[in-house]
Amino acid sequence: KQEVTQIPAALSVPEGENLVLNCSFTDSAIYNLQWFRQDPGKGLTSLLLIQSSQREQTSGRLNASLDKSSGRSTLYIAASQPGDSATYLCAVHSGNTPLVFGKGTRLSVIA
Amino acid sequence: GAVVSQHPSRVICKSGTSVKIECRSLDFQATTMFWYRQFPKKSLMLMATSNEGSKATYEQGVEKDKFLINHASLTLSTLTVTSAHPEDSSFYICSALRTGHNYGYTFGSGTRLTVV
Repeated sequence: KQEVTQIPAALSVPEGENLVLNCSFTDSAIYNLQWFRQDPGKGLTSLLLIQSSQREQTSGRLNASLDKSSGRSTLYIAASQPGDSATYLCAVHSGNTPLVFGKGTRLSVIA
Repeated sequence: GAVVSQHPSRVICKSGTSVKIECRSLDFQATTMFWYRQFPKKSLMLMATSNEGSKATYEQGVEKDKFLINHASLTLSTLTVTSAHPEDSSFYICSALRTGHNYGYTFGSGTRLTVV
């Protein structure tokens, strides 16, 4: 059974800092891995999707990497801004199961 | 493109009543949709997989008679919480699976259900 773990659970940084969020999964036989953003009381916004054959994806200040063999992914946020404050969720698609989510990292960027 | 509309965004109901939540894919067809439940500061818990034209597949521990799912068209799935109780209060999110060249998941904006 796939399990997804995100570290840290919460993170507070001053504005302008670069930061890394971590995601690990137990079953490396995945189709893809996706990073989402969730604002309080809101739904999910897809940030980046990495196919199993890819090693990284970039969108603006965001860069997500995937090391399938070791079961790890990182989300790198450059030059963080207060508007980046949200919960970031990592989700893995494997086998015939729908997405399995981690518990998320709550990010606070302090102005 | 790839927008999923979920309604209502918030609903308050009395114990014992039923509440219906709608999930619509606006610009694509979705034969498969998913319903999740999220408790405060927790991750999303998959409740069931909704398949167009057939019965939903429920995850272990989810009561199918309490959480009725209907997926009668390629763009609409509904979740009905029957005989709601305060412990059913939660945040419910739907997701639609995009197939083909634009493969992936699109999520609705969620529904905050409060049962009083």
